[in-house]
Amino acid sequence: DAGVTQSPTHLIKTRGQQVTLRCSPKSGHDTVSWYQQALGQGPQFIFQYYEEEERQRGNFPDRFSGHQFPNYSSELNVNALLLGDSALYLCASSLRGTGNYEQYFGPGTRLTVT
Amino acid sequence: AQSVAQPEDQVNVAEGNPLTVKCTYSVSGNPYLFWYVQYPNRGLQFLLKYITGDNLVKGSYGFEAEFNKSQTSFHLKKPSALVSDSALYFCAVRDPNTGGFKTIFGAGTRLFVKA
Repeated sequence: DAGVTQSPTHLIKTRGQQVTLRCSPKSGHDTVSWYQQALGQGPQFIFQYYEEEERQRGNFPDRFSGHQFPNYSSELNVNALLLGDSALYLCASSLRGTGNYEQYFGPGTRLTVT
Repeated sequence: AQSVAQPEDQVNVAEGNPLTVKCTYSVSGNPYLFWYVQYPNRGLQFLLKYITGDNLVKGSYGFEAEFNKSQTSFHLKKPSALVSDSALYFCAVRDPNTGGFKTIFGAGTRLFVKA
């Protein structure tokens, strides 16, 4: 049973560029959430996708956008990159429904903006 | 607004001794509470959760946590620490009234277990 996978593992971009990160959820899961983890901090919720729509959003600017595909995989897009966007980006998958509480995290994508 | 506080940046304990990693939270209503562990260059691994019921919950790798509603705390504990427990630990809270899986994490506590 494949867990949550993310690609790429590492990425280096220049300020002002755009980046796309990808996530495949754990088999059987239908919900994907994205988190940003800056160095030395806890993960911060960016947004959550379910049924191909953004359902919840944290305090992140519109430069951060996403998409969910019919196979439940998801992309995180960040436009006009800033140095402060350098972080580990974590994808978490889950299954909506009564009794389901846990999120399963992928290994993350390390983004460095120079 | 929801929030989580982990008052200790680092906890040091000798192998074989009991360990406690502290967490307090702020959320309206009855929260869902979680502990996750993160090893270097890895994602987060789920340890345990409190949803409802018994205040003492048991999780993976011998960890347990005690929910205290009056003190709004959810401290992580283990009776006998192992060197392999050395890692970064995150407490997290979710407000079930908002629906979805939006989870607020604490800043993390680094646990060092010395042989």
